[in-house]
Amino acid sequence: EAQVTQNPRYLITVTGKKLTVTCSQNMNHEYMSWYRQDPGLGLRQIYYSMNVEVTDKGDVPEGYKVSRKEKRNFPLILESPSPNQTSLYFCASSFYRGNGYTFGSGTRLTVV
Amino acid sequence: GQQLNQSPQSMFIQEGEDVSMNCTSSSIFNTWLWYKQDPGEGPVLLIALYKAGELTSNGRLTAQFGITRKDSFLNISASIPSDVGIYFCAGLVSGGSNYKLTFGKGTLLTVNP
Repeated sequence: EAQVTQNPRYLITVTGKKLTVTCSQNMNHEYMSWYRQDPGLGLRQIYYSMNVEVTDKGDVPEGYKVSRKEKRNFPLILESPSPNQTSLYFCASSFYRGNGYTFGSGTRLTVV
Repeated sequence: GQQLNQSPQSMFIQEGEDVSMNCTSSSIFNTWLWYKQDPGEGPVLLIALYKAGELTSNGRLTAQFGITRKDSFLNISASIPSDVGIYFCAGLVSGGSNYKLTFGKGTLLTVNP
């Protein structure tokens, strides 16, 4: 089944403890992106990647890192999480620009 | 940056009624997309629009790409309980290196059986 898989689905962590949210797609898509969803603010792009080793900042990149060492994987790294990073995170991928992203099921992160 | 104004924010309707929602922007977009998000899940693409004036249907859903390229609407006919969810419009500007969808803030649809 073609899909974007994120892990974990739920995570509670403490301030300052490094964490990684994994994302993997099995559709051979070039484009991958991370979004966060917050009440009243909608979906905002954190980082994106056009292909392996090509990444760049979206609208809200502060406090996040990404890497794209393989085409299928695009992990989101929080080196020192803070409570304002409590949010619902979505990874998404697309084969063709303009084709619409396929989204994962989301990771609900709580930083206390 | 680009912003999309999506309205209404929420709708409460009876099963069988038709629904209409829209998005407007001060910016021009080359692609308009409509997504639906069910509780606890990621957004799922419903309809993609690529040309100004384009009218596209997907079952009971119909969407149009505005002539000015600054707006789009989504209609749902004969609503059913499983239509419940949050509907998002998204716009894309071609060119540049970023493939970024700009999202509206969503329309929460509740359907009373």
